[in-house]
Amino acid sequence: DAGVIQSPRHEVTEMGQEVTLRCKPISGHDYLFWYRQTMMRGLELLIYFNNNVPIDDSGMPEDRFSAKMPNASFSTLKIQPSEPRDSAVYFCASSSTGGGSGNTIYFGEGSWLTVV
Amino acid sequence: GENVEQHPSTLSVQEGDSAVIKCTYSDSASNYFPWYKQELGKRPQLIIDIRSNVGEKKDQRIAVTLNKTAKHFSLHITETQPEDSAVYFCAAIPQGGSEKLVFGKGTKLTVNP
Repeated sequence: DAGVIQSPRHEVTEMGQEVTLRCKPISGHDYLFWYRQTMMRGLELLIYFNNNVPIDDSGMPEDRFSAKMPNASFSTLKIQPSEPRDSAVYFCASSSTGGGSGNTIYFGEGSWLTVV
Repeated sequence: GENVEQHPSTLSVQEGDSAVIKCTYSDSASNYFPWYKQELGKRPQLIIDIRSNVGEKKDQRIAVTLNKTAKHFSLHITETQPEDSAVYFCAAIPQGGSEKLVFGKGTKLTVNP
Protein backbone atom coordinates (compact mmCIF):
# COMPACT_ATOMS: atom_id res chain seq x y z
CA ASP A 1 0.00 0.00 0.00
CA ALA A 2 1.27 3.48 -0.82
CA GLY A 3 0.17 4.91 2.49
CA VAL A 4 -1.64 8.20 2.97
CA ILE A 5 -0.95 10.44 0.01
CA GLN A 6 -1.05 14.21 0.29
CA SER A 7 -0.63 16.96 -2.24
CA PRO A 8 0.87 19.40 -2.70
CA ARG A 9 3.94 18.64 -0.59
CA HIS A 10 4.96 22.29 -0.54
CA GLU A 11 3.00 25.41 -1.33
CA VAL A 12 3.88 29.05 -1.12
CA THR A 13 1.00 31.42 -1.67
CA GLU A 14 0.18 35.05 -1.18
CA MET A 15 -2.10 36.27 1.55
CA GLY A 16 -5.70 36.30 0.43
CA GLN A 17 -5.36 33.45 -2.01
CA GLU A 18 -7.31 30.23 -1.76
CA VAL A 19 -5.39 27.12 -0.77
CA THR A 20 -6.60 23.58 -1.33
CA LEU A 21 -4.84 20.63 0.25
CA ARG A 22 -5.65 17.12 -0.91
CA CYS A 23 -5.52 13.73 0.71
CA LYS A 24 -5.99 10.13 -0.32
CA PRO A 25 -6.32 7.84 2.70
CA ILE A 26 -5.17 4.25 2.86
CA SER A 27 -7.65 2.06 1.06
CA GLY A 28 -10.14 0.48 3.44
CA HIS A 29 -9.61 2.97 6.23
CA ASP A 30 -12.85 4.37 7.63
CA TYR A 31 -11.41 7.32 9.52
CA LEU A 32 -9.66 10.36 8.10
CA PHE A 33 -8.05 13.09 10.16
CA TRP A 34 -6.66 16.50 9.33
CA TYR A 35 -3.95 17.80 11.70
CA ARG A 36 -2.01 21.05 11.71
CA GLN A 37 1.50 21.28 13.14
CA THR A 38 3.23 24.49 14.23
CA MET A 39 6.09 25.15 16.59
CA MET A 40 3.89 27.11 18.93
CA ARG A 41 0.84 24.88 19.10
CA GLY A 42 2.22 21.46 18.25
CA LEU A 43 -0.04 18.90 16.58
CA GLU A 44 -3.67 20.00 16.57
CA LEU A 45 -6.60 18.01 15.28
CA LEU A 46 -8.67 20.17 12.94
CA ILE A 47 -11.40 17.77 11.88
CA TYR A 48 -12.04 14.09 11.41
CA PHE A 49 -14.37 12.03 9.26
CA ASN A 50 -15.89 8.60 9.72
CA ASN A 51 -17.17 6.93 6.57
CA ASN A 52 -16.94 10.26 4.74
CA VAL A 53 -19.07 12.07 7.32
CA PRO A 54 -17.53 14.89 9.38
CA ILE A 55 -17.74 13.89 13.02
CA ASP A 56 -15.89 16.60 14.90
CA ASP A 57 -14.78 19.90 13.42
CA SER A 58 -14.29 21.71 16.71
CA GLY A 59 -10.61 22.17 15.91
CA MET A 60 -11.20 24.11 12.73
CA PRO A 61 -9.85 27.57 13.54
CA GLU A 62 -12.47 29.69 11.84
CA ASP A 63 -14.80 29.99 8.91
CA ARG A 64 -11.93 30.45 6.51
CA PHE A 65 -11.23 26.73 6.89
CA SER A 66 -13.41 24.05 5.36
CA ALA A 67 -12.99 20.34 4.74
CA LYS A 68 -14.82 17.86 2.60
CA MET A 69 -14.73 14.17 1.93
CA PRO A 70 -16.81 13.46 -1.17
CA ASN A 71 -15.87 9.79 -1.24
CA ALA A 72 -13.88 7.20 0.66
CA SER A 73 -10.67 7.86 -1.23
CA PHE A 74 -10.44 11.64 -1.28
CA SER A 75 -10.57 14.59 1.06
CA THR A 76 -9.76 18.27 0.77
CA LEU A 77 -8.91 20.98 3.26
CA LYS A 78 -9.51 24.47 1.94
CA ILE A 79 -8.40 27.81 3.32
CA GLN A 80 -10.04 30.88 1.84
CA PRO A 81 -8.74 33.52 2.18
CA SER A 82 -5.33 32.44 3.44
CA GLU A 83 -3.37 34.46 6.01
CA PRO A 84 0.29 34.36 7.09
CA ARG A 85 -0.70 32.78 10.42
CA ASP A 86 -1.99 29.78 8.50
CA SER A 87 1.59 28.84 7.64
CA ALA A 88 2.11 25.36 9.02
CA VAL A 89 2.47 21.73 8.10
CA TYR A 90 -0.89 20.13 7.46
CA PHE A 91 -1.03 16.38 7.96
CA CYS A 92 -3.73 14.07 6.76
CA ALA A 93 -4.00 10.73 8.56
CA SER A 94 -6.19 7.68 8.36
CA SER A 95 -7.11 4.71 10.48
CA SER A 96 -8.95 1.47 9.86
CA THR A 97 -11.06 2.23 12.89
CA GLY A 98 -10.76 5.10 15.27
CA GLY A 99 -7.49 5.53 17.13
CA GLY A 100 -9.29 4.89 20.36
CA SER A 101 -9.71 1.23 19.59
CA GLY A 102 -5.99 0.86 19.30
CA ASN A 103 -5.61 0.83 15.57
CA THR A 104 -2.68 2.81 14.36
CA ILE A 105 -3.26 6.22 12.86
CA TYR A 106 -1.09 6.56 9.76
CA PHE A 107 0.09 10.00 8.75
CA GLY A 108 0.80 11.30 5.30
CA GLU A 109 4.02 13.15 4.49
CA GLY A 110 2.35 16.48 5.13
CA SER A 111 1.69 19.61 3.11
CA TRP A 112 4.08 22.43 4.00
CA LEU A 113 2.16 25.68 3.57
CA THR A 114 3.75 29.11 3.59
CA VAL A 115 1.53 32.18 3.23
CA VAL A 116 3.44 35.36 2.50
CA GLY B 1 -11.65 17.70 27.20
CA GLU B 2 -8.41 15.82 27.44
CA ASN B 3 -5.18 17.70 28.11
CA VAL B 4 -1.75 16.11 27.73
CA GLU B 5 1.37 17.61 29.26
CA GLN B 6 4.78 16.39 28.15
CA HIS B 7 8.22 16.87 29.73
CA PRO B 8 10.94 17.70 29.05
CA SER B 9 10.65 19.74 25.89
CA THR B 10 14.27 19.00 25.01
CA LEU B 11 16.54 16.18 26.10
CA SER B 12 20.17 15.59 25.25
CA VAL B 13 21.93 12.33 26.11
CA GLN B 14 25.14 10.56 25.25
CA GLU B 15 25.03 7.56 22.98
CA GLY B 16 24.42 4.45 25.05
CA ASP B 17 22.63 6.27 27.85
CA SER B 18 18.94 5.93 28.61
CA ALA B 19 16.30 8.55 27.88
CA VAL B 20 12.99 9.02 29.68
CA ILE B 21 10.11 11.20 28.54
CA LYS B 22 7.09 11.74 30.76
CA CYS B 23 3.50 12.69 30.05
CA THR B 24 0.48 13.39 32.20
CA TYR B 25 -3.13 13.40 31.11
CA SER B 26 -6.24 14.90 32.60
CA ASP B 27 -9.11 12.65 31.58
CA SER B 28 -9.27 9.62 33.85
CA ALA B 29 -11.41 7.86 31.24
CA SER B 30 -8.62 7.87 28.67
CA ASN B 31 -7.69 4.33 27.76
CA TYR B 32 -5.18 4.40 24.93
CA PHE B 33 -1.75 6.01 24.92
CA PRO B 34 0.43 5.91 21.80
CA TRP B 35 3.87 7.36 21.29
CA TYR B 36 4.95 8.82 17.96
CA LYS B 37 8.41 9.57 16.64
CA GLN B 38 8.92 12.36 14.14
CA GLU B 39 12.24 12.77 12.41
CA LEU B 40 13.13 16.15 10.97
CA GLY B 41 10.95 16.93 7.97
CA LYS B 42 9.13 13.61 8.21
CA ARG B 43 5.73 12.40 9.28
CA PRO B 44 4.93 11.22 12.82
CA GLN B 45 5.12 7.45 13.07
CA LEU B 46 3.83 5.20 15.82
CA ILE B 47 6.61 3.49 17.76
CA ILE B 48 4.76 1.96 20.69
CA ASP B 49 1.42 2.19 22.44
CA ILE B 50 -0.20 1.01 25.64
CA ARG B 51 -3.76 0.44 26.77
CA SER B 52 -5.14 1.30 30.16
CA ASN B 53 -5.41 -2.34 31.25
CA VAL B 54 -1.63 -2.81 31.00
CA GLY B 55 1.04 -1.29 33.21
CA GLU B 56 4.08 -1.76 31.00
CA LYS B 57 4.95 -2.73 27.47
CA LYS B 58 8.34 -3.34 25.87
CA ASP B 59 9.61 -3.54 22.34
CA GLN B 60 13.35 -4.10 22.10
CA ARG B 61 15.02 -0.90 23.35
CA ILE B 62 11.83 1.02 24.00
CA ALA B 63 9.29 0.61 26.76
CA VAL B 64 6.27 2.47 27.98
CA THR B 65 4.89 2.49 31.52
CA LEU B 66 1.47 3.64 32.64
CA ASN B 67 0.30 4.73 36.06
CA LYS B 68 -3.46 5.12 35.89
CA THR B 69 -3.79 6.31 39.45
CA ALA B 70 -1.41 9.18 38.92
CA LYS B 71 -2.53 9.65 35.31
CA HIS B 72 0.91 9.61 33.84
CA PHE B 73 2.83 7.49 31.36
CA SER B 74 6.44 7.44 30.29
CA LEU B 75 8.61 6.41 27.37
CA HIS B 76 11.92 4.76 28.13
CA ILE B 77 14.63 4.32 25.52
CA THR B 78 17.67 2.30 26.53
CA GLU B 79 21.06 2.12 24.85
CA THR B 80 20.30 5.21 22.82
CA GLN B 81 21.75 5.57 19.35
CA PRO B 82 22.18 8.66 17.15
CA GLU B 83 19.29 7.49 14.96
CA ASP B 84 17.01 7.83 17.98
CA SER B 85 17.39 11.60 17.62
CA ALA B 86 13.94 12.96 16.77
CA VAL B 87 10.91 14.61 18.30
CA TYR B 88 8.77 12.24 20.34
CA PHE B 89 5.08 12.88 20.96
CA CYS B 90 2.87 11.23 23.52
CA ALA B 91 -0.86 11.16 23.01
CA ALA B 92 -4.03 10.10 24.75
CA ILE B 93 -7.50 9.33 23.62
CA PRO B 94 -10.54 9.43 25.86
CA GLN B 95 -12.98 6.62 26.17
CA GLY B 96 -16.54 7.04 25.04
CA GLY B 97 -16.58 6.95 21.30
CA SER B 98 -14.40 9.93 20.56
CA GLU B 99 -11.53 9.26 18.20
CA LYS B 100 -9.67 12.45 18.96
CA LEU B 101 -6.03 11.80 19.69
CA VAL B 102 -4.71 14.63 21.86
CA PHE B 103 -0.97 15.11 21.54
CA GLY B 104 1.59 16.45 23.95
CA LYS B 105 3.81 19.28 22.73
CA GLY B 106 6.69 16.96 21.95
CA THR B 107 10.20 16.27 23.24
CA LYS B 108 13.20 16.90 21.04
CA LEU B 109 15.69 14.14 21.81
CA THR B 110 19.30 14.54 20.74
CA VAL B 111 21.66 11.60 21.08
CA ASN B 112 25.27 12.73 20.95
CA PRO B 113 27.80 10.26 19.49
